[in-house]
Amino acid sequence: QKEVEQDPGPLSVPEGAIVSLNCTYSNSAFQYFMWYRQYSRKGPELLMYTYSSGNKEDGRFTAQVDKSSKYISLFIRDSQPSDSATYLCAISWGGGGNKLTFGTGTQLKVEL
Amino acid sequence: DAMVIQNPRYQVTQFGKPVTLSCSQTLNHNVMYWYQQKSSQAPKLLFHYYDKDFNNEADTPDNFQSRRPNTSFCFLDIRSPGLGDAAMYLCATSRGGRVQETQYFGPGTRLLVL
Repeated sequence: QKEVEQDPGPLSVPEGAIVSLNCTYSNSAFQYFMWYRQYSRKGPELLMYTYSSGNKEDGRFTAQVDKSSKYISLFIRDSQPSDSATYLCAISWGGGGNKLTFGTGTQLKVEL
Repeated sequence: DAMVIQNPRYQVTQFGKPVTLSCSQTLNHNVMYWYQQKSSQAPKLLFHYYDKDFNNEADTPDNFQSRRPNTSFCFLDIRSPGLGDAAMYLCATSRGGRVQETQYFGPGTRLLVL
């Protein structure tokens, strides 16, 4: 079993739709949860970072963590074509020198 | 303003021919990381430097080595590339080693092995 599972997609939605991206993880020691966005031919960039269970909102983006279910989500409201990218979840247990375990990424395309 | 720079962006090498990928940063960060990302797979950490301290992941093949001659530069050396080493190689930096420290990624070098 992989430590982090993520549906690779691709996911195609119309502009303005609400997008839900999800990851599950297996190790209950994980405490820190991040979402990275990776545009084509670019490196990943940090989008959101959360520590505890619950929701964290930043503009059109909401990160949700459910530690009891080992399930994390990223919601994108009013999706735009510029949101088309691959979204990777990344999880850490807090040690190991900032070692991150990434999901495989979900490819998202927002159509006009 | 480029912060993490990787050269070259594309590298073609022959099977078994040593190759070096380079990374530089203008952020003056203490930590530098090398990840391998194969097609449709998650980035996989190969090793990282905290200042001059080298930290190798247990499952990183011996074929992969790294050098960090100064704060700004870090190199990934592949001694004898095999076909299975074809991938995107990502360099990242962070100010410190705590998990709260954001990792900043370069654009990657795509390696093709013929």
